[in-house]
Amino acid sequence: GIQVEQSPPDLILQEGANSTLRCNFSDSVNNLQWFHQNPWGQLINLFYIPSGTKQNGRLSATTVATERYSLLYISSSQTTDSGVYFCAVRRGSGYSTLTFGKGTMLLVSP
Amino acid sequence: DVKVTQSSRYLVKRTGEKVFLECVQDMDHENMFWYRQDPGLGLRLIYFSYDVKMKEKGDIPEGYSVSREKKERFSLILESASTNQTSMYLCASSFGVRLAGADTQYFGPGTRLTVL
Repeated sequence: GIQVEQSPPDLILQEGANSTLRCNFSDSVNNLQWFHQNPWGQLINLFYIPSGTKQNGRLSATTVATERYSLLYISSSQTTDSGVYFCAVRRGSGYSTLTFGKGTMLLVSP
Repeated sequence: DVKVTQSSRYLVKRTGEKVFLECVQDMDHENMFWYRQDPGLGLRLIYFSYDVKMKEKGDIPEGYSVSREKKERFSLILESASTNQTSMYLCASSFGVRLAGADTQYFGPGTRLTVL
């Protein structure tokens, strides 16, 4: 099956710093999503981005489908950005199941 | 907004008990999914359903079954709970694949199950 690798596995930032999270995948994809899992376990959709660039406030994401990677940028980080960030992909057609990476755990300290 | 709800946030059961986890979505989504999440392993797909009464095995179906009698409700069943099924269980739903972006998955709040 498709492989999804996220880096770094852990990240500690001071409030106000910027960061870049990376997701590499091993095959072409029809769906790529970024999620944020908050400390209570809720997974929140950040972006649906199989290709191109999107921005939402302090967060933006870019997927370069031909090179099989996606980047999530967090600018001016806040303590509420802490949690785990997951990248998930769906390959090809057929059933719309996602394969998740193992996530990047982010801690933003005041 | 899409709303996916799960019947319990926390659940404690004994080994051998039959356990039901229920998930309800209010957006008329065709697809529903059950995942488990364990430290260091990420999210792994247990079962999914693309229509009422239809089900497909995911990556780790052993020890689990599912039921989808109504479009909005998808149940995960542990026939005889074991300690290695202690985990966080997450339900998700999506419209389907007909439209671009329609297969965006939306997650419920999760159920932390402990099997003693």
